Amino acid sequence: NAGVTQTPKFQVLKTGQSMTLQCAQDMNHNSMYWYRQDPGMGLRLIYYSASEGTTDKGEVPNGYNVSRLNKREFSLRLESAAPSQTSVYFCASSLRGRWEKLFFGSGTQLSVL
Amino acid sequence: AQTVTQSQPEMSVQEAETVTLSCTYDTSESDYYLFWYKQPPSRQMILVIRQEAYKQQNATENRFSVNFQKAAKSFSLKISDSQLGDAAMYFCAYVAGTASKLTFGTGTRLQVTL
Repeated sequence: NAGVTQTPKFQVLKTGQSMTLQCAQDMNHNSMYWYRQDPGMGLRLIYYSASEGTTDKGEVPNGYNVSRLNKREFSLRLESAAPSQTSVYFCASSLRGRWEKLFFGSGTQLSVL
Repeated sequence: AQTVTQSQPEMSVQEAETVTLSCTYDTSESDYYLFWYKQPPSRQMILVIRQEAYKQQNATENRFSVNFQKAAKSFSLKISDSQLGDAAMYFCAYVAGTASKLTFGTGTRLQVTL
């Protein structure tokens, strides 16, 4: 009964370092998403994948890349971290699309120093 | 551009009382969906309630109900018999049809007191 699993839960990076946030869902969902949450700004979409093999940019894609490795897994990569990328990152999934219920992971608190 | 506005950054309610959280949205679409998501201190977002715009009837889930006023573009969440476990951030969200992005409001922090 795992749902959406994100790793790691916390991460501290230095400016310029790279890292990959991992996300996996076990609900056989087609669509997966990466959001970032900043104080006072709600959630903003970074990238999404409507189905296995496809990815598209969201509102704030700059500085990020994604990979839909298979139907279960959708990773987010920061190639050269910047302090502006300090945020809480959420992975989410839905059976078909954004008009349906989204299931969220528990988030990754990322600090870039 | 579609926007979602939650004008109450913080609200407080006593246990067992009723509280209403406000949300307004701006759209020119006729077919859309509205959501309330809850984010407790554990941080994981959970869907509270979902409303389809073409449905006249207000959605209800146990102690949670909405007042959907389509003409006024208003979508408020009513929590009845508030419990300590209801303390959380609540986000209103909107999406038009099947192709547009899901837009979140900035959230309302709900405190529940004894």
